[in-house]
Amino acid sequence: QKEVEQNSGPLSVPEGAIASLNCTYSDRVSQSFFWYRQYSGKSPELIMSIYSNGDKEDGRFTAQLNKASQYVSLLIRDSQPSDSATYLCAVNRDGNNRLAFGKGNQVVVIP
Amino acid sequence: GAVVSQHPSWVICKSGTSVKIECRSLDFQATTMFWYRQFPKQSLMLMATSNEGSKATYEQGVEKDKFLINHASLTLSTLTVTSAHPEDSSFYICSASSGTSAREQFFGPGTRLTVL
Repeated sequence: QKEVEQNSGPLSVPEGAIASLNCTYSDRVSQSFFWYRQYSGKSPELIMSIYSNGDKEDGRFTAQLNKASQYVSLLIRDSQPSDSATYLCAVNRDGNNRLAFGKGNQVVVIP
Repeated sequence: GAVVSQHPSWVICKSGTSVKIECRSLDFQATTMFWYRQFPKQSLMLMATSNEGSKATYEQGVEKDKFLINHASLTLSTLTVTSAHPEDSSFYICSASSGTSAREQFFGPGTRLTVL
């Protein structure tokens, strides 16, 4: 089993709709979870971090964490064409803050 | 805040030459810097973790003699790809974390290396 799995294929959503992305991880001792956005040809940009079970909202983004199920998700409300990018889920691997990344989910927002 | 720069943004070199990439934290002191490599359509793969003043810790399968990392100050880390070959062509990205928000990593813009 991979450390961090993002299994969904490209996600197409109409402008204004909600985009939902899922991520599972294998290491139960992981404590820190992140969502990064990466535009084509660019480096990742941190958009959300979450450390406790439950929901965390920041603007149009909501991260949800369930440590018992080893599951973290990201919701993008009122999707905009500028949200079209690849979203990477990252999980810390140990106390040194090393991160393991999922392969990413491409989101395409259709105007 | 939390700005990380990389230089150069792209480089083309001949096979067998060495290339140095610089990573700088511009507005914070980076206690730890990380180097990643990303091949097209793939995710980021951590190559090594670098703490200021100490030797880098390399991930399994990464040749430390080929990818030399120096972290001489709290704002600068360098990655040198020695004797580069075409298979080393990739997008190299550094990130940095600070003592005040150590769990979050902030990424530089990346360096695209092409080895002919």
